[in-house]
Amino acid sequence: GAVVSQHPSWVICKSGTSVKIECRSLDFQATTMFWYRQFPKQSLMLMATSNEGSKATYEQGVEKDKFLINHASLTLSTLTVTSAHPEDSSFYICSASLAGARNEQFFGPGTRLTVL
Amino acid sequence: QKEVEQNSGPLSVPEGAIASLNCTYSDRGSQSFFWYRQYSGKSPELIMFIYSNGDKEDGRFTAQLNKASQYVSLLIRDSQPSDSATYLCAVNMYSTGGFKTIFGAGTRLFVKA
Repeated sequence: GAVVSQHPSWVICKSGTSVKIECRSLDFQATTMFWYRQFPKQSLMLMATSNEGSKATYEQGVEKDKFLINHASLTLSTLTVTSAHPEDSSFYICSASLAGARNEQFFGPGTRLTVL
Repeated sequence: QKEVEQNSGPLSVPEGAIASLNCTYSDRGSQSFFWYRQYSGKSPELIMFIYSNGDKEDGRFTAQLNKASQYVSLLIRDSQPSDSATYLCAVNMYSTGGFKTIFGAGTRLFVKA
């Protein structure tokens, strides 16, 4: 199957700093990438959908100025958590998909963010 | 009503038994349906996808889709302790600007050795 990588796999940062997470599709070109957040024992929460070369579409309640998403190429999307606070500590997972409504999403391994 | 509903469980079955996981969805126009498995602390991995009414089998897994009833299920035959995980049902729905995948909250499965 298609492979999606994420970097870093975990990060610990101080409150107020910004953290960038990279998501790469390694063996296919991803028209669409998705960013999810998952708190312990809870389900995936879609944060935003990004299409290459256009602005991301954020889900209701997700602050676009806090969670900056850039999808500069068909194989790379980045999520930057700006001015991170302890409540932003979570498991962030990206996924990538090919065009069309039938195609499944391929998930990255996730990034565990801890904000002190 | 939630767009994709699953019983949160936990569902507990003995080793070797059949585990049956169920999911209902609200959008009658949905076209694509997926089952993902997620181990604790890991990201989801795709197990099965199904697009047409009926059954689809892949090894020990069978996905069943009934669009009239807006129901999709996953059967795991000869359940193994390694199958213990949370199973997420996902449905692709058309949305403004394209499509998006709606995930259920997941069903936790425990397979007892």
